[in-house]
Amino acid sequence: DAKTTQPTSMDCAEGRAANLPCNHSTISGNEYVYWYRQIHSQGPQYIIHGLKNNETNEMASLIITEDRKSSTLILPHATLRDTAVYYCIVMEYGNKLVFGAGTILRVKS
Amino acid sequence: DAGVIQSPRHEVTEMGQEVTLRCKPISGHDYLFWYRQTMMRGLELLIYFNNNVPIDDSGMPEDRFSAKMPNASFSTLKIQPSEPRDSAVYFCASSPDRLNNYEQYFGPGTRLTVT
Repeated sequence: DAKTTQPTSMDCAEGRAANLPCNHSTISGNEYVYWYRQIHSQGPQYIIHGLKNNETNEMASLIITEDRKSSTLILPHATLRDTAVYYCIVMEYGNKLVFGAGTILRVKS
Repeated sequence: DAGVIQSPRHEVTEMGQEVTLRCKPISGHDYLFWYRQTMMRGLELLIYFNNNVPIDDSGMPEDRFSAKMPNASFSTLKIQPSEPRDSAVYFCASSPDRLNNYEQYFGPGTRLTVT
């Protein structure tokens, strides 16, 4: 599975959009982009995934560039409860999830 | 739905003792995963089951670790004998089926401390 690169940490003001980037320049055609998050002292939580089209659900939006070499997870109105580690994972459908270091998102009031 | 249930939530034991962690997956889920999380190594997949059968145990650190799934609603992860380096948070997760196994539902974890 392709490797991903994420910033170590980011800050976001409460109520503003949080945009979390992920680089996956070696992604192959049949690999999906998945996002999970882990709030302190809890298990990881699935957020969203996509192949090449932009995706939106009740939690977030996923924007994938046309060349698929990078993506951005958008939390439209961040709250304090969104403070967590966000993991971007690239893998083929049905493969095992491999978690990297992720991005620590701190939402501040 | 109660979600994935793990017990105990915290376990403190002495080196050399046997430790058994328990997991009840979400009803109807075909896949069950065991992960370990430490500050040094992050979140690692240890083993996963499909329909109660172990599919991939390549992440199990050594023979001291064993996992079983005697039925669709129960799994155990056993460490015998335990060592201080086994101290970690152990997560169990389940997912509905192979086509959707990217969407894994994690339990609250068991924090293991081996002294």
